[in-house]
Amino acid sequence: QVHLGESGGGVVQPGTSRGLSCTGSGFTFSNYPMHWVRQAPGKGLEWVALISYDGTTQYYTDSVKGRFTISRDNSKNTLYLQMNSLRAEDTAVYYCVRDMSDWGPGTLVTVSS
Amino acid sequence: DVVLTQSPLSLPVTLGQPASISCRSSQSLLFSDGNTYLIWFQQRPGQSPRRLIYQVSKRDSGVPDRFSGSGSGTDFTLKISRVEAEDVGVYYCMQGTHWPPHTFGQGTKLEMK
Repeated sequence: QVHLGESGGGVVQPGTSRGLSCTGSGFTFSNYPMHWVRQAPGKGLEWVALISYDGTTQYYTDSVKGRFTISRDNSKNTLYLQMNSLRAEDTAVYYCVRDMSDWGPGTLVTVSS
Repeated sequence: DVVLTQSPLSLPVTLGQPASISCRSSQSLLFSDGNTYLIWFQQRPGQSPRRLIYQVSKRDSGVPDRFSGSGSGTDFTLKISRVEAEDVGVYYCMQGTHWPPHTFGQGTKLEMK
């Protein structure tokens, strides 16, 4: 059974950094591309970033390019999202998603002074 | 970027009656490999999204057969043959043909009359 679990959410001040992690189990982690998708409170879904199965290629939505970095450690079955220069509009639940099929429960990041 | 437009945005339904949600794309979602990468997700209140349908009409494991997807090119439909109480939530279409970015529709909120 596929299981994904995010961690690292919390309240942060604008302009600061935060790192998120997502650990996968129940499948061969290194075989799948992984995504981060976010959902602002009461809003719809927004794709954030994608990393290839082997970690060699990354893609980002325009609003986070240059500020967010997606990475993975296949030896630890873990996906990461390093978020820098955070803004109020980055406030959202962040989900890790396996190959646009299976979703974790999400972790809430609130950017507020 | 590809824009997905869902309608209606709110869908009041009666138990046991059918329901239909439209998703229209600003570009054809037919990929060069012959596949069309259009996905439907269900998000029940307080839960993570769950994939129901992929590649327009392929139902995920465990998804009741009252859910069906159809369409081609730029016009797609999710149909529920007989709505049950557990179907309440928000439904999103998403395209994975022209990326980055992967894009979502605005969401359709299905609720009981």
